[in-house]
Amino acid sequence: GAGVSQSPSNKVTEKGKDVELRCDPISGHTALYWYRQRLGQGLEFLIYFQGNSAPDKSGLPSDRFSAERTGESVSTLTIQRTQQEDSAVYLCASSLHGAITEAFFGQGTRLTVV
Amino acid sequence: ELKVEQNPLFLSMQEGKNYTIYCNYSTTSDRLYWYRQDPGKSLESLFVLLSNGAVKQEGRLMASLDTKARLSTLHITAAVHDLSATYFCAVDMNTDKLIFGTGTRLQVFP
Repeated sequence: GAGVSQSPSNKVTEKGKDVELRCDPISGHTALYWYRQRLGQGLEFLIYFQGNSAPDKSGLPSDRFSAERTGESVSTLTIQRTQQEDSAVYLCASSLHGAITEAFFGQGTRLTVV
Repeated sequence: ELKVEQNPLFLSMQEGKNYTIYCNYSTTSDRLYWYRQDPGKSLESLFVLLSNGAVKQEGRLMASLDTKARLSTLHITAAVHDLSATYFCAVDMNTDKLIFGTGTRLQVFP
């Protein structure tokens, strides 16, 4: 596609429910990143995928968070048993060869846990 | 652990004035990126700096990188209202993991 696509754009969920956020990277981009941005805050690194290498999960805040990527395409970020502090915008980015080249960001998914 | 700090965190400046945003980072890296974020929007790439002494300019914005000082600057010349946004720097840890600074929220007023 022309850019990084994320869905849904907005998600409101009840506390305790599971949610899945989807990211379609730019075609051919081997690297994919997930970040979290709380209101008025900077970007918090969550997870990084690069090709077939093991993902860097060092930023995942708890075991309720997990992410998968199918080959070099779609990625899904799953949050189980959501809590109110999970409310944030979740941004996905992709780049051609990791951070050697610039990363392009999707529009984000705004998650609200009520 | 890599830390990336920006200052100021908030900048209110008058149109026509000049100012510099600073980005300091705590470990060796020679790859630094600047992004812009408008309210409610995603991030837009502004500059990619890949070596010591790199300087890039686009319109009223100029970015530079000093890897020895672990410092990048984003200089604003003759600010205009359209530059109002939040600006983030991001550093690559040489592991392809981008770590972002805290952001500088810029407001330009008449």
